[in-house]
Amino acid sequence: KAGVTQTPRYLIKTRGQQVTLSCSPISGHRSVSWYQQTPGQGLQFLFEYFSETQRNKGNFPGRFSGRQFSNSRSEMNVSTLELGDSALYLCASSSDSYSYNEQFFGPGTRLTVL
Amino acid sequence: AQSVTQLDSQVPVFEEAPVELRCNYSSSVSVYLFWYVQYPNQGLQLLLKYLSGSTLVKGINGFEAEFNKSQTSFHLRKPSVHISDTAEYFCAVSLNSGNTPLVFGKGTRLSVIA
Repeated sequence: KAGVTQTPRYLIKTRGQQVTLSCSPISGHRSVSWYQQTPGQGLQFLFEYFSETQRNKGNFPGRFSGRQFSNSRSEMNVSTLELGDSALYLCASSSDSYSYNEQFFGPGTRLTVL
Repeated sequence: AQSVTQLDSQVPVFEEAPVELRCNYSSSVSVYLFWYVQYPNQGLQLLLKYLSGSTLVKGINGFEAEFNKSQTSFHLRKPSVHISDTAEYFCAVSLNSGNTPLVFGKGTRLSVIA
């Protein structure tokens, strides 16, 4: 099986712009979670989608949003980018909504905000 | 809410020496525990997990960890490290209902010296 794929791998944006990141889960996996990784804050949970519904949400401002499509692919969007949004954004998939103990991570998208 | 403390941010060790990476957690209820590894420019890979049963858990690449409920610890060990073990290691916890997102520690950078 192909693993979790994320596109693009690298992205450079300027403050105030918006960005959309994409995640394709492992075939058959219906749950997709997003995490932000920064040197200062470490790995923090953003949100989780299962069957096109947001099931859990972390403590991030409303500028961070996501969605999931019927084929389980997910996108996350960050609007009005700030310098502090520079991070590695990781996507993880699992077979169902209650399987945080069986998550598989993608390679991440490195976002740099200038 | 649960939290994770990785006591060492960096651990240098000589090749073929043993290593222990320390992890302590805080939670008022029972938890699941995980260790992940992140190689440069890659996502996270699950090394091992404790869900229930035997407190000594064996994982991939020769790693093992022991769950100690009284000390709320889940230290990772390897009897003999290789250069290829150089990476960032993350301890994580979730509530043992399985339906809560992972909470990660800040990570330990393991550097294996030839």
